[in-house]
Amino acid sequence: EDKVVQSPLSLVVHEGDTVTLNCSYEVTNFRSLLWYKQEKKAPTFLFMLTSSGIEKKSGRLSSILDKKELFSILNITATQTGDSAVYLCAVIGSSNTGKLIFGQGTTLQVKP
Amino acid sequence: DVKVTQSSRYLVKRTGEKVFLECVQDMDHENMFWYRQDPGLGLRLIYFSYDVKMKEKGDIPEGYSVSREKKERFSLILESASTNQTSMYLCASSRHTQGAAEAFFGQGTRLTVV
Repeated sequence: EDKVVQSPLSLVVHEGDTVTLNCSYEVTNFRSLLWYKQEKKAPTFLFMLTSSGIEKKSGRLSSILDKKELFSILNITATQTGDSAVYLCAVIGSSNTGKLIFGQGTTLQVKP
Repeated sequence: DVKVTQSSRYLVKRTGEKVFLECVQDMDHENMFWYRQDPGLGLRLIYFSYDVKMKEKGDIPEGYSVSREKKERFSLILESASTNQTSMYLCASSRHTQGAAEAFFGQGTRLTVV
């Protein structure tokens, strides 16, 4: 059974800190891994990773995939209160329908 | 600007009622999905559809059914609502590609069954 596990489940940091969120997976015929950010509304897309070792970057956020060890990390540097959200990791696996399998999410709270 | 629209943000229904949640996308996407989101459990797939009139069960289909009569619309039906179906329901859509494509989400419907 396909499975995605995120850690930690929750995290509290102060503004300016750097955080690393983890996502490990067991999926048949891996196709891609996606990161989403969810505030009090719809999840919004951050990154899609398909190849190992290639870092995706957007401002203070970056992510990398290790297909050998079956995990990805999402880094946020110089955190701000606006980074407070649930971060979701999802994987597209064996089905060619694009079905996303999600982890439990990591709730990040950034304090001023 | 891409858009997935769910018909209601908040719903309160009584136990035993038949409930319809509607989702419309304007991106001509082939794939559409219904997830429910509960604290500590993440998003769990209820049903998905990869074409008109086509559907497949997800991980937790019990107590739900779906309908996709038109490409842009995907409906989730709770045949007889129960209190354990109180949850946030999220609809999503994506292109059908050989590789992978990001899914776009609606704003969610928070359903309370009393």
